[in-house]
Amino acid sequence: GAGVSQSPRYKVAKRGQDVALRCDPISGHVSLFWYQQALGQGPEFLTYFQNEAQLDKSGLPSDRFFAERPEGSVSTLKIQRTQQEDSAVYLCASSYEGANTGELFFGEGSRLTVL
Amino acid sequence: QQQVKQSPQSLIVQKGGISIINCAYENTAFDYFPWYQQFPGKGPALLIAIRPDVSEKKEGRFTISFNKSAKQFSLHIMDSQPGDSATYFCAARRGSTLGRLYFGRGTQLTVWP
Repeated sequence: GAGVSQSPRYKVAKRGQDVALRCDPISGHVSLFWYQQALGQGPEFLTYFQNEAQLDKSGLPSDRFFAERPEGSVSTLKIQRTQQEDSAVYLCASSYEGANTGELFFGEGSRLTVL
Repeated sequence: QQQVKQSPQSLIVQKGGISIINCAYENTAFDYFPWYQQFPGKGPALLIAIRPDVSEKKEGRFTISFNKSAKQFSLHIMDSQPGDSATYFCAARRGSTLGRLYFGRGTQLTVWP
């Protein structure tokens, strides 16, 4: 596609529900990242994939957060038993070259509101 | 602990003026410093980036000034336009940490006509 595509764009969940957020990176991009952006803050790193391998998940805030990229393209970020503090915009980004040198292309994000 | 500190939080500039946003970092292992621009409802987009082997990089109206000894870098927007009104984030990355960008908290720039 022309850019990084994320769905859903908006998600409202009741506390305790599980949610799944999808990211479709730019075709051919090797690296894929998930960031969390709270209101009025900068993006915070969650996790990073190179192809299907999850190379860094040190930013995931708890074991309720899980990400996968089984075929090295589309990725899903899953949040189990959502809490109010999970409310944020979840940004996906992809990069063509190795992450050390490549520009990150961000999607428009999935805004999660937990009631 | 905030790895990259950004100021000011908000900035109002008259059309045609110069907008200046500052960032500071502590980790000397950082070797890549990008600036991102974000419009409401959109994802951040790379504006300009610099590596520590140069002190300045200019692209059009946008210039990064980098002071390695002071561990500071700044974004200058010359001839600011209303279309530049957005939130700007500085960021930094360590070469050894593949991909992970540390972002500042952002500066909301308003350029009024």
